[in-house]
Amino acid sequence: AQSVSQHNHHVILSEAASLELGCNYSYGGTVNLFWYVQYPGQHLQLLLKYFSGDPLVKGIKGFEAEFIKSKFSFNLRKPSVQWSDTAEYFCAVTLANAGGTSYGKLTFGQGTILTVHP
Amino acid sequence: DADVTQTPRNRITKTGKRIMLECSQTKGHDRMYWYRQDPGLGLRLIYYSFDVKDINKGEISDGYSVSRQAQAKFSLSLESAIPNQTALYFCATSVNPGTGEQFFGPGTRLTVL
Repeated sequence: AQSVSQHNHHVILSEAASLELGCNYSYGGTVNLFWYVQYPGQHLQLLLKYFSGDPLVKGIKGFEAEFIKSKFSFNLRKPSVQWSDTAEYFCAVTLANAGGTSYGKLTFGQGTILTVHP
Repeated sequence: DADVTQTPRNRITKTGKRIMLECSQTKGHDRMYWYRQDPGLGLRLIYYSFDVKDINKGEISDGYSVSRQAQAKFSLSLESAIPNQTALYFCATSVNPGTGEQFFGPGTRLTVL
C-alpha cells in the first residue's frame, strides 16, 4: 500500500525565515500530489497540486513545491514566512493514470505543524 | 453558502451511544469521503463512496458504518461509541474524473466520554 511520510512533526520559525517541509511517498507509479493547509480551528484547504507538466508548482500565498520523481519527493517551500502561515500542513498522494486522472483515494502524511513567531 | 457542510459541528456523547454525523454537499460531486483526524496521525480514511450505490471501507472502518442517501448526502454512524473514537471528523468530496483534489467540510469535533 502507498504511504506518505512528512519528516518534521513541528517546525518553529521566526518571521521572514525560509521554509521547506519534506514529503516523501512510497508508490512507484504515476501519482498526483497535493499540499493542504489547516489553519487553527479550520478545515483543510488546498495550497497547491501537481498532476502533470512543470515539476515546480506554484500555489497560493507564495508557496511552491517541487516534484522530484527520482526521489519520490514533493517538498513544500516558501522563501519568507509570515506569522499568518502558522498552521498544520499536510502532504497527500493519489494514484493516477498517465493522463493525470486520479483513481480516487488520497493518502495523507502525518502533518507538520508550523509555528511562526513574530 | 459553504459547498460542503457537516452537522453537528461539535458533539459530546457517552460510551455506548449511537451517533450519526451528517455531510451534505452542493458541489455536484459523485465521490464522497469520511476521515478522522488525530494529532500526529494525519487524516485517515474511514469510508468512501464513488457514487450513490457504491460504498467502500477505508483503512480504519471498524466501529463505523456509512449511508449514501443521495448524491449530495453521506452519513457516518458510530453504532456504539467508545472513547478512542474521540477525534475530529471530516467529510470531503471530489469530482470524477479529476485530479483527485478533495474539498473538505468544516469538521465535526466528537468527544466520547
